[in-house]
Order: sequence, then structure tokens, then C-alpha cells
Amino acid sequence: AQSVTQPDIHITVSEGASLELRCNYSYGATPYLFWYVQSPGQGLQLLLKYFSGDTLVQGIKGFEAEFKRSQSSFNLRKPSVHWSDAAEYFCAFLNAGNNRKLIWGLGTSLAVNP
Amino acid sequence: DAGVIQSPRHEVTEMGQEVTLRCKPISGHDYLFWYRQTMMRGLELLIYFNNNVPIDDSGMPEDRFSAKMPNASFSTLKIQPSEPRDSAVYFCASSRSVGGLTSTDTQYFGPGTRLTVL
Repeated sequence: AQSVTQPDIHITVSEGASLELRCNYSYGATPYLFWYVQSPGQGLQLLLKYFSGDTLVQGIKGFEAEFKRSQSSFNLRKPSVHWSDAAEYFCAFLNAGNNRKLIWGLGTSLAVNP
Repeated sequence: DAGVIQSPRHEVTEMGQEVTLRCKPISGHDYLFWYRQTMMRGLELLIYFNNNVPIDDSGMPEDRFSAKMPNASFSTLKIQPSEPRDSAVYFCASSRSVGGLTSTDTQYFGPGTRLTVL
């Protein structure tokens, strides 16, 4: 079955600390991968995406993600977290076939301590 | 561009009433998506349109839900009759391609409509 797993439902980090949010996918081929962020009361905004090429992808707001085919993972990282990064983070991939659509993880809620 | 516009932002209604959610996509976007977000089920795709035509409605939970896109700049999601379990945040999104399938495209989300059915 096609699915995305975000193992961590909730993470708390201190401001200035590094961050890694995990994402694993189940899919029969190399997918197109995405990370979105949802700030409280807002819609989702694309942070970055991977289609092909360099497996380390740079995004907005200082985020990056690395695609590891052998681990079926696409983990999101940031070297130094800011209080404004507190939000919900969603990993997704685009499936193949006639009815292409994004398959979403359940999200990871990030809290940032001052 | 003003982005994806949704109305109303909040809706409180009683069980059995009809609810209509509205969405105006970004001009020039050929794809429009309706999502539902709940704590239990996360983000679910309900239906999406391409050039005003419904392509995949497999996520529509039951016959009480219907969606239309009469033209390129307007779509509605209707629930009739509404039930308490329909309480959720409903998002509309639009894009040029089906999933943001180019280096310069993405799905743009509206701010959502928070629906509460009492």
C-alpha cells in the first residue's frame, strides 16, 4: 500500500537547537517527495520538494531535506530552530498512475521552547 | 494575486442543516483540490478537478458530500445533511499541475474553513 509515515507525532526543541523530522514512505518506485508546513490557523505552505537529481534539497526558511532511497526516507532538517518554526509539518509524495495525487503523512507537531 | 480564497472562514451549524463551502482558486490554475483535516485522520483528499471536471472523487466520504466547479474561478463543497462527525477544517488548494509536478509549481492552499456541526 502507498503510505507516508511520520513516526513522531509531537516534538519539542529549544530555540537554537538543531531539528530533524522523520518521514518514511511506502511506494513501489521513486516518488516525488514534499514537505509542507502549517502554521496555527493557516493553510499549508510548501517548504521544499524532491523530484530528481541531488538528494539533498534546499527549501525556504532555512530547511533542507535528504532523500535516501535505501531507507525510503525523506527527513527534514534545520540546523538552528527559531521560535517562529513552531508549526505542524507534513510529508507527502505524489503517486503515479492515472489519478495522480499527493499521499500525506499525519504530520508532526513542533513546539519550540525559548 | 490574492491566493486561494475560501469562505466562510468559520461555520457553526446544527446537525441536519445544509452547509456550503466556497473556494476561489488562483487565476490560471487548472487543478483544484478539496481536503478535509481532522485530528484523527489527518489531511484527506476529498476530490480534485482538472479544468472544472472532477477527476478523482474517491475520497468523498458518502453521498451527503458533493462538489461542483461551474467555472474556472469558483468551486463549492456541499454537505447535506450535515452531521457532527463532519466537523473538521476543510481546505481548498489549487495548482497548475496535479501535484506541483514541475520545479516551479506547487499546490497553494487556502486558509481553510473550520466547520463545527452541533
